[in-house]
Amino acid sequence: EVQLAESGGGMVQPGGSLRLSCAASGFTFSNHEMNWVRQAPGEGLEWVSFISGSGYPMYYADSVKGRFTVSRDNAKNSLFLHMTSLRSEDTGFYFCAREDDTAMVAFDLWGQGTLVAVSS
Amino acid sequence: QSALTQPASVSGSPGQSITISCTGTNSDVGGYNYVSWYQQHPGKAPKLMIYEVTNRPSGVSDRFSGSKSDNTASLTISGLQAEDEADYYCSSFTSSGCRVFGGGTRLTVL
Repeated sequence: EVQLAESGGGMVQPGGSLRLSCAASGFTFSNHEMNWVRQAPGEGLEWVSFISGSGYPMYYADSVKGRFTVSRDNAKNSLFLHMTSLRSEDTGFYFCAREDDTAMVAFDLWGQGTLVAVSS
Repeated sequence: QSALTQPASVSGSPGQSITISCTGTNSDVGGYNYVSWYQQHPGKAPKLMIYEVTNRPSGVSDRFSGSKSDNTASLTISGLQAEDEADYYCSSFTSSGCRVFGGGTRLTVL
């Protein structure tokens, strides 16, 4: 089955770190650019980060630049988001999203999300 | 990276048509034909409805259509149905290589 499954969310104190994972299955992972998108409770979607199929380049939203790092392991069909210096405004559901291999910015497959809660 | 501008809410009666706008700049919406639209029902992951301004993925109803003029993209839903009630988001490629979403529009089917 073609799917994405996020894990690694949880509750963390401000200033703390967390590493999210996204396991891909059912498709050729290395052929696809991948993104992280987050959604604060009751709020809209916010794009967080992009990584190409080869692992470079990567791009980040200004709100997370310098604090978050995206990476991937194509051999293990996995996408990661290493988050440091977490703030309360980083709280929300984090989705990994696949871009169609022939159409840019077409997020055609999404995981169900993992919840990150930053609170003291 | 400013969010694209969408109306907070739109509404329509069953059978009617509605249009949701998505306004950006010539560094995103206006500069590229890489605008996509997503439907999100409560508690669910978003679903791709339109990509590259006008293209519909396989399985998406032809009641959904997209267009673009200058810095504004639009999503039109014709023949509104109860199940269309959801939040809708636009997204665009940007000149920096980043992606950006709109603030979202809640569609209410009266």
